[in-house]
Amino acid sequence: SAVISQKPSRDICQRGTSLTIQCQVDSQVTMMFWYRQQPGQSLTLIATANQGSEATYESGFVIDKFPISRPNLTFSTLTVSNMSPEDSSIYLCSVGGRGITGELFFGEGSRLTVL
Amino acid sequence: GIQVEQSPPDLILQEGANSTLRCNFSDSVNNLQWFHQNPWGQLINLFYIPSGTKQNGRLSATTVATERYSLLYISSSQTTDSGVYFCAVLMIKAAGNKLTFGGGTRVLVKP
Repeated sequence: SAVISQKPSRDICQRGTSLTIQCQVDSQVTMMFWYRQQPGQSLTLIATANQGSEATYESGFVIDKFPISRPNLTFSTLTVSNMSPEDSSIYLCSVGGRGITGELFFGEGSRLTVL
Repeated sequence: GIQVEQSPPDLILQEGANSTLRCNFSDSVNNLQWFHQNPWGQLINLFYIPSGTKQNGRLSATTVATERYSLLYISSSQTTDSGVYFCAVLMIKAAGNKLTFGGGTRVLVKP
């Protein structure tokens, strides 16, 4: 399975600021995804990070709020912009396994608290 | 979109007890996974099981794809089994793949 590293693991942020989360994988992967988990809730897909092109966002998530970069097959960033307390969540990076129906793996998550 | 429902939402067990968690889904899927989220928030892969039965130690899982459900069995539960268990289903679409999570089952194992 791929080793997925996320940074930061946790942070406390002020309202109105932006924070960029990094996701580094130890091998090239075709598919990378970003998820959000609000307190006490399940995971919700934010977007699919596409290498070399714009990310594909799910309903309810927009590029201005969650800009994503994916410059190569091992790295992606998610920025949470103009944060409010409602953005306090765990943000998780996920990568696809072998083949399009392969197992998916998750990073350890980035726990953000917005004051 | 596809609906994924897990039951029960909460489960309290005495150490050593056995339990069954259920995951129902509303459409045919290409992949199904079970995860354990530990108290630190990390998601641990338990099973990749689009169909059939698998076992890993005290845990086993069965997916009956034709009837659109999956079961996770925990035997001889231990306090370290506490946490939230999620099932997630993958559907491959022309617009892109999407892994959809159920609401989770929160498990507390008491010593």
